[in-house]
Amino acid sequence: NAGVTQTPKFRILKIGQSMTLQCAQDMNHNYMYWYRQDPGMGLKLIYYSVGAGITDKGEVPNGYNVSRSTTEDFPLRLELAAPSQTSVYFCASSYSLVQGDGNEQFFGPGTRLTVL
Amino acid sequence: DAKTTQPPSMDCAEGRAANLPCNHSTISGNEYVYWYRQIHSQGPQYIIHGLKNNETNEMASLIITEDRKSSTLILPHATLRDTAVYYCIAEDSGGYQKVTFGTGTKLQVIP
Repeated sequence: NAGVTQTPKFRILKIGQSMTLQCAQDMNHNYMYWYRQDPGMGLKLIYYSVGAGITDKGEVPNGYNVSRSTTEDFPLRLELAAPSQTSVYFCASSYSLVQGDGNEQFFGPGTRLTVL
Repeated sequence: DAKTTQPPSMDCAEGRAANLPCNHSTISGNEYVYWYRQIHSQGPQYIIHGLKNNETNEMASLIITEDRKSSTLILPHATLRDTAVYYCIAEDSGGYQKVTFGTGTKLQVIP
């Protein structure tokens, strides 16, 4: 299994440009997440999805959009890039059980985005 | 989800046990304690989790107090590769999951 993959690894955007960060997992996980991590800070949840066709906002959703048309893919869209969106973006997935534990999240390698 | 508090940084000598504390005094009965670590700028990596019993795996041991208000992650023989930021989070098992990663503890393993 490749686990959680993210593309691209690095990207530089100009203010006002748009782009899509790609995330895919091959573990048949139902939950997927997008986080951002600013320098020296912890991870902040942007959006999450509990299954195909279902998404919801996290802590910092403004300026981003997501979709989940398949179990495997969970792309993150930036419509009008701003310098405040300069960050490292991590995608994660987990398998949620109705009862019991084992809901650990598996993270991708991250996308480093700079907006100038 | 319960809020967790961790010391911002710790040092540990190589080969010694690293004991990383975490307070979660508002944890509820169905919240598990999960530990992750982030090495340099890589994606976080799951280490271990537990509910109320002590747990051990190939990476670490987790000791949870009887009242569940705090826990300790133990790396039995720390190596330089264990230098990382360690996150303790309380996660509700099953159903909707939205966890909060704080700033964690920066563990520096010293040769």
